[in-house]
Amino acid sequence: GAGVSQSPRYKVTKRGQDVALRCDPISGHVSLYWYRQALGQGPEFLTYFNYEAQQDKSGLPNDRFSAERPEGSISTLTIQRTEQRDSAMYRCASSLVAVGATREQYFGPGTRLTVT
Amino acid sequence: QQQVKQSPQSLIVQKGGISIINCAYENTAFDYFPWYQQFPGKGPALLIAIRPDVSEKKEGRFTISFNKSAKQFSLHIMDSQPGDSATYFCAASRMDSSYKLIFGSGTRLLVRP
Repeated sequence: GAGVSQSPRYKVTKRGQDVALRCDPISGHVSLYWYRQALGQGPEFLTYFNYEAQQDKSGLPNDRFSAERPEGSISTLTIQRTEQRDSAMYRCASSLVAVGATREQYFGPGTRLTVT
Repeated sequence: QQQVKQSPQSLIVQKGGISIINCAYENTAFDYFPWYQQFPGKGPALLIAIRPDVSEKKEGRFTISFNKSAKQFSLHIMDSQPGDSATYFCAASRMDSSYKLIFGSGTRLLVRP
């Protein structure tokens, strides 16, 4: 079946511009996570949705970062007034359910963001 | 604060050998410990996972050993193959913290033919 998809795969933007990164989770997956992965490092948590509710946004670096999942499926991570330090790989992961035995998170291919 | 420490940073193993990657955690509230395999240009792929009520879990050539008292867990890859060459990440999560994954810093494994 189809895995987690993300678009665009690559995004180059100028400093100060806003960007929107999209995540389409595995069909039927209730939980959706955004992570940021620096080169050579493990992913770092940004935010988490259960259905359409943003349950945890403790990993968002500052208020320029926001995310939504209005219908409980596709999610958008928005970065306003981008800065060079925002350059990274942004990954989305989804999970069938967060509670109980099924906690496996499946990752998408990521969006490579470069801010010039 | 690094909550999951992973070692070694890189590892070279001959084909057929055993690859061992270690992780240590600090928070005793962690209750789920997965390992991910990542090839260049790809997203992390779930390899195997364990819960703290089990001391060992084996799936094919991959085994997780878990030591709750020492707060350590490790990945063993038996009969390592060149196709296993990838970066491996350990992770941990807590039921009471959004199940978000806290990752180790990764181990780059190279299996020589």
